[in-house]
Amino acid sequence: SAVISQKPSRDICQRGTSLTIQCQVDSQVTMMFWYRQQPGQSLTLIATANQGSEATYESGFVIDKFPISRPNLTFSTLTVSNMSPEDSSIYLCSVVEGRRGANVLTFGAGSRLTVL
Amino acid sequence: SQQGEEDPQALSIQEGENATMNCSYKTSINNLQWYRQNSGRGLVHLILIRSNEREKHSGRLRVTLDTSKKSSSLLITASRAADTASYFCATEVGHSGGSNYKLTFGKGTLLTVNP
Repeated sequence: SAVISQKPSRDICQRGTSLTIQCQVDSQVTMMFWYRQQPGQSLTLIATANQGSEATYESGFVIDKFPISRPNLTFSTLTVSNMSPEDSSIYLCSVVEGRRGANVLTFGAGSRLTVL
Repeated sequence: SQQGEEDPQALSIQEGENATMNCSYKTSINNLQWYRQNSGRGLVHLILIRSNEREKHSGRLRVTLDTSKKSSSLLITASRAADTASYFCATEVGHSGGSNYKLTFGKGTLLTVNP
């Protein structure tokens, strides 16, 4: 299965700053997904990033707050802009992989952000 | 709103016992998947059951699916301390490659297996 590298793995950020998270995949993939996991909570899909097109954002998430780049089939970035303590979460990128005729997600290890 | 809702939210058992986690969902699905997450790390896919299947086995894992009740269960038999993790169900809607494809996760069950 694909190997996904995310960085940073963790960071402590100041309120009002922005941070870009990078996601590198060891194979070419069409769809990449960015999820947020707030402390003690489940995963919430932020957006779907396809190469060569604008990211598709889920309800409650906007491009100005979470701009995404997808310059090629192996790489994507998510920026968390103008951060507040409410943005403290684990951010996870994932890709779809076919497995025995079905699609499953493979995840990076996540980026744990703490906003002070 | 979340598609999947797991119960219990937390489960604590002794090594060797079986652990059962349940998941309910709201809309029609293509398949239902279970994932495991160790201590705030990335999720790992465990097992997938299609909407036309009723039961699936993989090693010590057994998954059932009842589409009439929109529910699924994950059974881990002969649990080990290393099984301690959070377990999430996830439902697939849409089709991969389509603009509406996505996997929606439930709230998860935190399983603690005591040695």
